[in-house]
Amino acid sequence: GAGVSQSPRYKVAKRGQDVALRCDPISGHVSLFWYQQALGQGPEFLTYFQNEAQLDKSGLPSDRFFAERPEGSVSTLKIQRTQQEDSAVYLCASSFLAGISSTDTQYFGPGTRLTVL
Amino acid sequence: AQKITQTQPGMFVQEKEAVTLDCTYDTSDPSYGLFWYKQPSSGEMIFLIYQGSYDQQNATEGRYSLNFQKARKSANLVISASQLGDSAMYFCAMREDSGGGADGLTFGKGTHLIIQP
Repeated sequence: GAGVSQSPRYKVAKRGQDVALRCDPISGHVSLFWYQQALGQGPEFLTYFQNEAQLDKSGLPSDRFFAERPEGSVSTLKIQRTQQEDSAVYLCASSFLAGISSTDTQYFGPGTRLTVL
Repeated sequence: AQKITQTQPGMFVQEKEAVTLDCTYDTSDPSYGLFWYKQPSSGEMIFLIYQGSYDQQNATEGRYSLNFQKARKSANLVISASQLGDSAMYFCAMREDSGGGADGLTFGKGTHLIIQP
């Protein structure tokens, strides 16, 4: 079966540009997560969706970051007015269950490597 | 204080030897889950193994096993009979059930494992 897919795999943006990163979760997965992974670090949580509802956005670093999942499937992470510190790999993950459960395994996509010049 | 601590930034291991990757965690939540992921140079996070805080037995998945010592808050990953393809970054992660914190996984900084022929 298809796993989590993300596009584009690589994105180069000039400082100040807006970017949009797409995530296509595993079919039937209710929960969707976005993470940011800086070079040489572990991923850090950004935001969480249960179906189309964004239930947690506590990890978004600034109001330049915005995520949506309007139909409860595909999600888009948008970064406005990109800065050099936004350069990172952005990982999307999905899981089958709804709600907070430590037993629910998250499956990750290949990530989008964003470079801001 | 860090919630997940991986004290081995890098490890070199001879092929076919067993290897133990260390992970300690910090939580006051009685209900939580511990996960190990592998991240090869391609970037995708691959789920390896899960251990629940209430599980009585250590988790095993093929060549992977988790040495769970709850009193010591330790969840070390053991890889038996290492293979060249095991060379990658390995991340320990935790998710708490309390819901008071972020809904995503909390990751450690990772261990870079290199298997030598």
